[in-house]
Amino acid sequence: GAGVSQSPRYKVAKRGQDVALRCDPISGHVSLFWYQQALGQGPEFLTYFQNEAQLDKSGLPSDRFFAERPEGSVSTLKIQRTQQEDSAVYLCASSYTGFSYGYTFGSGTRLTVV
Amino acid sequence: GESVGLHLPTLSVQEGDNSIINCAYSNSASDYFIWYKQESGKGPQFIIDIRSNMDKRQGQRVTVLLNKTVKHLSLQIAATQPGDSAVYFCAENIYNQGGKLIFGQGTELSVKP
Repeated sequence: GAGVSQSPRYKVAKRGQDVALRCDPISGHVSLFWYQQALGQGPEFLTYFQNEAQLDKSGLPSDRFFAERPEGSVSTLKIQRTQQEDSAVYLCASSYTGFSYGYTFGSGTRLTVV
Repeated sequence: GESVGLHLPTLSVQEGDNSIINCAYSNSASDYFIWYKQESGKGPQFIIDIRSNMDKRQGQRVTVLLNKTVKHLSLQIAATQPGDSAVYFCAENIYNQGGKLIFGQGTELSVKP
């Protein structure tokens, strides 16, 4: 596609519920990144894939967060047993290289945990 | 620890004036810097970038200055327009840590017509 597509755009989850957020990167982009953006803050790195390999997951805040990219294209970020502090916008970005230049961000998924 | 921060959280300017947004970074191993613009409900949009071997780079109406001595980065927007109203973030990439970016908190730019 022309850009990075994320779905759903908005998600309201009850505390304790599991959620799955989807990212469709730009076709042919090798690298895929997930960021978490709290209200009024800059995005914070969660995890990074190069093709299907998860090369860095140092930013995942707890073992309730899990990301996958099984075929090297679409990625899913899963959050188990959601908590109120998980409320944020989750941004996905893709790049044709493994480097920062050429990053394109999606519009994000706004997750609200009630 | 690693951090990228902004000096001014909000900036209000008159249409047609020049805007300057500042950013401080703390990691001397950072080798690449990017400025992003983020409008409400959208993801960050690339504005301009600069590598650590440069001290100035110009784009269309925008200029980025890098001062490695004091670890300071600035974004200058010439003839600011209402469409420039948004939150601006600086981000740094640390050498040899892959494509991970570290973002600052952001500055909200408001342009008065």
